[in-house]
Amino acid sequence: KNEVEQSPQNLTAQEGEFITINCSYSVGISALHWLQQHPGGGIVSLFMLSSGKKKHGRLIATINIQEKHSSLHITASHPRDSAVYICAPTPNTGNQFYFGTGTSLTVIP
Amino acid sequence: DTGVSQDPRHKITKRGQNVTFRCDPISEHNRLYWYRQTLGQGPEFLTYFQNEAQLEKSRLLSDRFSAERPKGSFSTLEIQRTEQGDSAMYLCASSVWSEQYFGPGTRLTVT
Repeated sequence: KNEVEQSPQNLTAQEGEFITINCSYSVGISALHWLQQHPGGGIVSLFMLSSGKKKHGRLIATINIQEKHSSLHITASHPRDSAVYICAPTPNTGNQFYFGTGTSLTVIP
Repeated sequence: DTGVSQDPRHKITKRGQNVTFRCDPISEHNRLYWYRQTLGQGPEFLTYFQNEAQLEKSRLLSDRFSAERPKGSFSTLEIQRTEQGDSAMYLCASSVWSEQYFGPGTRLTVT
């Protein structure tokens, strides 16, 4: 049983395109992280959210707690956005994360 | 210190050898997490410390794996009698509450 589903698994976009990555989860959560992982392994937390919407620059994250769904949007995508984006909900019954398998994004100039 | 550090960044070992990794969290963070990530997969939770207490352990953490955080600051993860299936990236993260900050990881290759 996979508690976290991300889609798409792979995404190729032209520079400037608007990108959406979706995450659905099956557990009750206290918060959800969107993480960015570049080749080589380093992980950066982009957002932590428990309701509504957050925006950092060209990145927007939304969450609908009732529907157990979150989205990450990238506006005006750029080749430097190429990375794996991982959805990581934190169940409200514990302290660990569940992780999606990630969405591998490639932005072509 | 502005982030989580891990040492070594890369480790190559022969099957059957023991290895130990170190994680230094952000100094004021009382929570510390270990994760394992294999190629093409998302990270998997291994264990969690609050201060020096190990509060959660995944069933993935077999008896060959042990983690410590003796003084509630840095943590070590030891793998005994390594197997080729242990080859992975081992990630450490720390937090005060829910928002976790990740280290660069230790990439283990077992030959």
